[in-house]
Amino acid sequence: AQSVSQHNHHVILSEAASLELGCNYSYGGTVNLFWYVQYPGQHLQLLLKYFSGDPLVKGIKGFEAEFIKSKFSFNLRKPSVQWSDTAEYFCAVNEGGQNFVFGPGTRLSVLP
Amino acid sequence: DTGVSQNPRHKITKRGQNVTFRCDPISEHNRLYWYRQTLGQGPEFLTYFQNEAQLEKSRLLSDRFSAERPKGSFSTLEIQRTEQGDSAMYLCASSLDRTANYGYTFGSGTRLTVV
Repeated sequence: AQSVSQHNHHVILSEAASLELGCNYSYGGTVNLFWYVQYPGQHLQLLLKYFSGDPLVKGIKGFEAEFIKSKFSFNLRKPSVQWSDTAEYFCAVNEGGQNFVFGPGTRLSVLP
Repeated sequence: DTGVSQNPRHKITKRGQNVTFRCDPISEHNRLYWYRQTLGQGPEFLTYFQNEAQLEKSRLLSDRFSAERPKGSFSTLEIQRTEQGDSAMYLCASSLDRTANYGYTFGSGTRLTVV
Protein backbone atom coordinates (compact mmCIF):
# COMPACT_ATOMS: atom_id res chain seq x y z
CA ALA A 1 0.00 0.00 0.00
CA GLN A 2 1.07 3.54 -0.62
CA SER A 3 2.28 5.67 2.22
CA VAL A 4 3.39 9.26 2.48
CA SER A 5 5.79 10.59 5.08
CA GLN A 6 6.52 14.18 5.96
CA HIS A 7 9.79 14.92 7.66
CA ASN A 8 8.76 17.57 10.11
CA HIS A 9 5.79 17.68 12.42
CA HIS A 10 6.16 21.37 13.30
CA VAL A 11 8.36 24.01 11.71
CA ILE A 12 8.84 27.46 13.21
CA LEU A 13 10.34 30.21 11.07
CA SER A 14 10.72 33.95 11.18
CA GLU A 15 9.28 36.06 8.39
CA ALA A 16 11.50 36.22 5.28
CA ALA A 17 13.18 32.91 6.10
CA SER A 18 13.30 30.24 3.43
CA LEU A 19 11.11 27.18 3.73
CA GLU A 20 11.56 23.59 2.69
CA LEU A 21 9.12 20.90 3.79
CA GLY A 22 10.03 17.32 3.04
CA CYS A 23 7.73 14.69 1.58
CA ASN A 24 8.52 11.11 0.61
CA TYR A 25 6.17 8.47 -0.76
CA SER A 26 6.45 4.72 -0.98
CA TYR A 27 4.80 3.83 -4.28
CA GLY A 28 7.08 2.71 -7.11
CA GLY A 29 4.76 3.24 -10.06
CA THR A 30 3.54 6.36 -11.76
CA VAL A 31 1.99 8.74 -9.28
CA ASN A 32 0.46 12.16 -9.21
CA LEU A 33 1.76 14.34 -6.39
CA PHE A 34 0.08 17.18 -4.56
CA TRP A 35 0.55 19.66 -1.78
CA TYR A 36 -2.52 20.88 0.07
CA VAL A 37 -2.63 23.69 2.61
CA GLN A 38 -5.05 24.20 5.48
CA TYR A 39 -5.08 27.69 6.97
CA PRO A 40 -6.41 28.00 10.52
CA GLY A 41 -10.16 27.46 10.55
CA GLN A 42 -10.36 26.90 6.81
CA HIS A 43 -10.80 23.96 4.48
CA LEU A 44 -8.04 22.13 2.65
CA GLN A 45 -6.92 23.93 -0.49
CA LEU A 46 -4.79 22.72 -3.35
CA LEU A 47 -1.41 24.45 -3.40
CA LEU A 48 0.21 22.73 -6.36
CA LYS A 49 0.35 19.43 -8.22
CA TYR A 50 2.70 17.39 -10.36
CA PHE A 51 1.63 14.95 -13.06
CA SER A 52 4.47 14.79 -15.56
CA GLY A 53 6.98 16.95 -17.38
CA ASP A 54 9.09 19.58 -15.68
CA PRO A 55 9.84 18.23 -12.19
CA LEU A 56 9.87 21.75 -10.77
CA VAL A 57 6.29 22.79 -10.25
CA LYS A 58 5.13 26.27 -9.36
CA GLY A 59 2.00 26.81 -7.34
CA ILE A 60 0.06 29.62 -5.80
CA LYS A 61 1.42 32.21 -3.37
CA GLY A 62 5.05 31.76 -4.42
CA PHE A 63 5.29 28.09 -3.48
CA GLU A 64 7.09 25.53 -5.61
CA ALA A 65 7.89 21.85 -5.32
CA GLU A 66 10.46 19.59 -6.89
CA PHE A 67 9.80 15.99 -7.85
CA ILE A 68 12.89 13.79 -7.56
CA LYS A 69 11.90 10.37 -8.83
CA SER A 70 15.06 8.61 -7.68
CA LYS A 71 14.44 9.78 -4.13
CA PHE A 72 10.65 9.31 -4.17
CA SER A 73 10.45 12.87 -2.92
CA PHE A 74 8.30 15.91 -3.57
CA ASN A 75 9.59 18.68 -1.33
CA LEU A 76 7.80 21.99 -0.98
CA ARG A 77 9.77 25.23 -1.00
CA LYS A 78 9.26 28.95 -0.67
CA PRO A 79 12.16 31.45 -0.77
CA SER A 80 10.69 33.90 1.74
CA VAL A 81 7.79 33.05 4.04
CA GLN A 82 5.23 35.47 5.37
CA TRP A 83 3.20 35.43 8.57
CA SER A 84 0.15 34.59 6.43
CA ASP A 85 1.78 31.29 5.42
CA THR A 86 1.10 29.95 8.92
CA ALA A 87 -0.91 26.82 8.22
CA GLU A 88 -0.76 23.05 8.06
CA TYR A 89 0.70 21.56 4.89
CA PHE A 90 -0.17 18.11 3.59
CA CYS A 91 1.60 16.15 0.90
CA ALA A 92 -0.61 13.68 -0.99
CA VAL A 93 -0.24 10.98 -3.62
CA ASN A 94 -2.73 9.74 -6.17
CA GLU A 95 -1.79 6.79 -8.35
CA GLY A 96 -4.51 7.60 -10.82
CA GLY A 97 -7.11 5.87 -8.71
CA GLN A 98 -10.09 7.29 -7.00
CA ASN A 99 -8.62 8.49 -3.77
CA PHE A 100 -5.61 10.24 -2.32
CA VAL A 101 -3.17 9.10 0.32
CA PHE A 102 -2.18 12.00 2.54
CA GLY A 103 0.86 12.45 4.71
CA PRO A 104 0.47 13.32 8.40
CA GLY A 105 0.98 17.02 7.78
CA THR A 106 3.53 19.63 8.81
CA ARG A 107 2.45 22.56 10.88
CA LEU A 108 4.21 25.77 9.89
CA SER A 109 4.32 28.68 12.29
CA VAL A 110 5.75 31.93 10.94
CA LEU A 111 6.72 34.48 13.56
CA PRO A 112 6.21 38.13 12.64
CA ASP B 1 -21.51 28.27 -6.26
CA THR B 2 -20.41 28.40 -2.64
CA GLY B 3 -18.16 25.36 -2.68
CA VAL B 4 -18.65 22.17 -0.72
CA SER B 5 -20.92 22.65 2.27
CA GLN B 6 -20.96 20.43 5.35
CA ASN B 7 -23.38 20.41 8.25
CA PRO B 8 -23.18 20.57 11.13
CA ARG B 9 -19.77 22.17 11.71
CA HIS B 10 -19.49 20.63 15.14
CA LYS B 11 -21.26 17.73 16.81
CA ILE B 12 -20.87 16.55 20.37
CA THR B 13 -22.55 13.28 21.19
CA LYS B 14 -22.59 10.71 23.94
CA ARG B 15 -21.03 7.34 23.35
CA GLY B 16 -23.55 4.92 21.92
CA GLN B 17 -25.64 7.53 20.16
CA ASN B 18 -26.14 7.69 16.40
CA VAL B 19 -25.04 10.74 14.42
CA THR B 20 -25.60 11.84 10.83
CA PHE B 21 -23.63 14.38 8.83
CA ARG B 22 -24.59 16.01 5.58
CA CYS B 23 -22.48 17.11 2.62
CA ASP B 24 -23.64 19.27 -0.28
CA PRO B 25 -21.07 19.11 -3.08
CA ILE B 26 -20.48 21.65 -5.81
CA SER B 27 -23.60 21.34 -7.93
CA GLU B 28 -22.11 20.03 -11.17
CA HIS B 29 -19.67 17.65 -9.46
CA ASN B 30 -20.69 14.02 -9.89
CA ARG B 31 -18.02 12.56 -7.60
CA LEU B 32 -18.26 12.86 -3.84
CA TYR B 33 -15.74 11.65 -1.29
CA TRP B 34 -15.67 11.22 2.47
CA TYR B 35 -12.43 11.40 4.43
CA ARG B 36 -11.69 11.29 8.15
CA GLN B 37 -8.96 13.32 9.82
CA THR B 38 -7.82 12.65 13.35
CA LEU B 39 -5.61 14.95 15.38
CA GLY B 40 -2.05 15.06 14.09
CA GLN B 41 -2.84 13.01 11.00
CA GLY B 42 -3.66 13.69 7.40
CA PRO B 43 -7.07 12.89 5.94
CA GLU B 44 -7.82 9.19 5.44
CA PHE B 45 -10.10 7.96 2.69
CA LEU B 46 -13.43 6.47 3.77
CA THR B 47 -15.60 6.13 0.68
CA TYR B 48 -16.57 7.72 -2.60
CA PHE B 49 -19.59 8.02 -4.86
CA GLN B 50 -19.94 8.50 -8.57
CA ASN B 51 -23.39 9.99 -8.89
CA GLU B 52 -25.56 7.87 -6.59
CA ALA B 53 -23.37 4.75 -6.76
CA GLN B 54 -21.00 4.04 -3.89
CA LEU B 55 -17.98 2.67 -5.75
CA GLU B 56 -15.32 2.21 -3.12
CA LYS B 57 -15.17 1.79 0.64
CA SER B 58 -12.12 1.80 2.84
CA ARG B 59 -11.55 -0.89 5.45
CA LEU B 60 -11.76 2.02 7.91
CA LEU B 61 -15.48 2.12 7.21
CA SER B 62 -16.75 -0.40 9.76
CA ASP B 63 -20.28 -1.74 9.68
CA ARG B 64 -21.32 1.05 12.07
CA PHE B 65 -20.71 3.54 9.27
CA SER B 66 -23.03 4.00 6.33
CA ALA B 67 -23.00 6.60 3.59
CA GLU B 68 -25.65 7.40 1.06
CA ARG B 69 -26.10 9.69 -1.88
CA PRO B 70 -29.68 8.94 -2.86
CA LYS B 71 -30.16 11.27 -5.81
CA GLY B 72 -26.58 11.83 -6.77
CA SER B 73 -26.55 15.25 -5.16
CA PHE B 74 -26.05 15.62 -1.39
CA SER B 75 -24.67 12.81 0.73
CA THR B 76 -25.09 11.70 4.32
CA LEU B 77 -22.66 9.83 6.53
CA GLU B 78 -24.19 8.05 9.51
CA ILE B 79 -22.30 6.56 12.41
CA GLN B 80 -24.26 4.20 14.63
CA ARG B 81 -23.39 3.42 18.25
CA THR B 82 -20.62 5.99 18.33
CA GLU B 83 -17.39 5.22 20.15
CA GLN B 84 -14.77 7.59 21.52
CA GLY B 85 -12.43 6.51 18.73
CA ASP B 86 -14.86 7.99 16.22
CA SER B 87 -13.95 11.49 17.41
CA ALA B 88 -12.43 13.18 14.38
CA MET B 89 -13.00 15.70 11.64
CA TYR B 90 -15.12 14.24 8.84
CA LEU B 91 -14.31 15.84 5.51
CA CYS B 92 -16.32 15.79 2.33
CA ALA B 93 -14.91 16.62 -1.08
CA SER B 94 -16.22 16.66 -4.62
CA SER B 95 -14.94 16.66 -8.17
CA LEU B 96 -15.90 16.06 -11.77
CA ASP B 97 -14.99 12.74 -13.39
CA ARG B 98 -12.55 14.40 -15.75
CA THR B 99 -10.81 16.40 -13.04
CA ALA B 100 -10.76 13.82 -10.24
CA ASN B 101 -7.05 13.19 -10.61
CA TYR B 102 -6.31 16.90 -10.52
CA GLY B 103 -7.48 17.38 -6.96
CA TYR B 104 -10.73 17.79 -5.17
CA THR B 105 -12.60 20.67 -3.61
CA PHE B 106 -12.90 20.04 0.11
CA GLY B 107 -15.53 21.25 2.53
CA SER B 108 -14.71 22.67 5.93
CA GLY B 109 -15.60 19.46 7.68
CA THR B 110 -17.76 18.31 10.57
CA ARG B 111 -15.91 17.91 13.84
CA LEU B 112 -17.32 15.05 15.88
CA THR B 113 -16.58 14.73 19.58
CA VAL B 114 -17.81 11.59 21.32
CA VAL B 115 -17.92 11.93 25.11
